[in-house]
Amino acid sequence: KAGVTQTPRYLIKTRGQQVTLSCSPISGHRSVSWYQQTPGQGLQFLFEYFSETQRNKGNFPGRFSGRQFSNSRSEMNVSTLELGDSALYLCASSSWTGGDEQYFGPGTRLTVT
Amino acid sequence: GENVEQHPSTLSVQEGDSAVIKCTYSDSASNYFPWYKQELGKRPQLIIDIRSNVGEKKDQRIAVTLNKTAKHFSLHITETQPEDSAVYFCAASKPTGNQFYFGTGTSLTVIP
Repeated sequence: KAGVTQTPRYLIKTRGQQVTLSCSPISGHRSVSWYQQTPGQGLQFLFEYFSETQRNKGNFPGRFSGRQFSNSRSEMNVSTLELGDSALYLCASSSWTGGDEQYFGPGTRLTVT
Repeated sequence: GENVEQHPSTLSVQEGDSAVIKCTYSDSASNYFPWYKQELGKRPQLIIDIRSNVGEKKDQRIAVTLNKTAKHFSLHITETQPEDSAVYFCAASKPTGNQFYFGTGTSLTVIP
């Protein structure tokens, strides 16, 4: 099976802009979780989608949003970008409803200038 | 929410020695504890995991132990090799969804 894929791999944006990141899970996986990874804060949970519904949400401002499509592909959107949003954004897919193995994509490196 | 603490933050060992990384969690509802290895510029890779109904699990040179009463779990790597050098993350998850709470990572260096 193909692994988790993310597009684009690299992005450079300016403060105030918005950005959309995409994640395609492993075939058959219905759960997609998003994480932000920074040197200072480590890996922090953003949100999880299962069967097109947001099931869990981390402690991020409303500028961070996401959605999931019927084919389980997921997107996350960040509006009004700030310098502090520069990070590696990782998505992870899982086949089951909770407490299950998650497989990570390669990540999208977002740089905000 | 859940809080996962991980120690040490850096660890250097001689090739062939063992390495131990420890994590504690706060929420007794957590029941799934994976460990990930992340090499520089790469994605986190699942290396081993353990569920709350098991006390120990082994996979070749890697083992994980879980003490539910004390709320801590540990990763043990024996006969370390230079290719084991990476950052290792522990995590905890509850059965209510795939929301992982990660430790802050341990940078392991294996000296040849």
